[in-house]
Amino acid sequence: AQKVTQAQTEISVVEKEDVTLDCVYETRDTTYYLFWYKQPPSGELVFLIRRNSFDEQNEISGRYSWNFQKSTSSFNFTITASQVVDSAVYFCALSEAPPDGNKLVFGAGTILRVKS
Amino acid sequence: DTGVSQDPRHKITKRGQNVTFRCDPISEHNRLYWYRQTLGQGPEFLTYFQNEAQLEKSRLLSDRFSAERPKGSFSTLEIQRTEQGDSAMYLCASDNAGTAYNEQFFGPGTRLTVL
Repeated sequence: AQKVTQAQTEISVVEKEDVTLDCVYETRDTTYYLFWYKQPPSGELVFLIRRNSFDEQNEISGRYSWNFQKSTSSFNFTITASQVVDSAVYFCALSEAPPDGNKLVFGAGTILRVKS
Repeated sequence: DTGVSQDPRHKITKRGQNVTFRCDPISEHNRLYWYRQTLGQGPEFLTYFQNEAQLEKSRLLSDRFSAERPKGSFSTLEIQRTEQGDSAMYLCASDNAGTAYNEQFFGPGTRLTVL
């Protein structure tokens, strides 16, 4: 069975601090996809990144970066120089490979509060 | 706006009543998903359709829940004889089936409160 664990329930930081959100996953599949979604107070889930299991290169997009390590089954997300607008709930998710499996298995989420 | 839309956004009902939610996916997407999100938790998969065929249902989807996608476009999710435990946010998402992974786009959700 697939499982995603986000051990940090809530994190509070002061603006401009860096913050890392942890994600640990479990799957028996050799091919799978990992995701991060953001859920701002408005409630709509916003896609941030997708990674497939064969691509362990770290990725950077502006202030966001992701560290994927298969050896530890982790897919951590770092926000550099956090801003108040980053305050939201962040979800890590896992999916089997298409075309058969596409449902997302989500972690419980991490609430990020960025204070000015 | 051509994103995923859901109606209604909020629904308050009394225990025992039936409710129906609607989801309109992005028009060119042939796959549609329903998820349920309770307070403090991540979304949980309920069911999905490819065109009009319902291909998978979660064990979470009890007999009181039924979903349809009659013409392969919009979908409805009906809950019969609602219970307080059904109170949650019901999310709809859509994407395109294929051999390459395609991102799921989520709608704003329908928040159900059962009194």
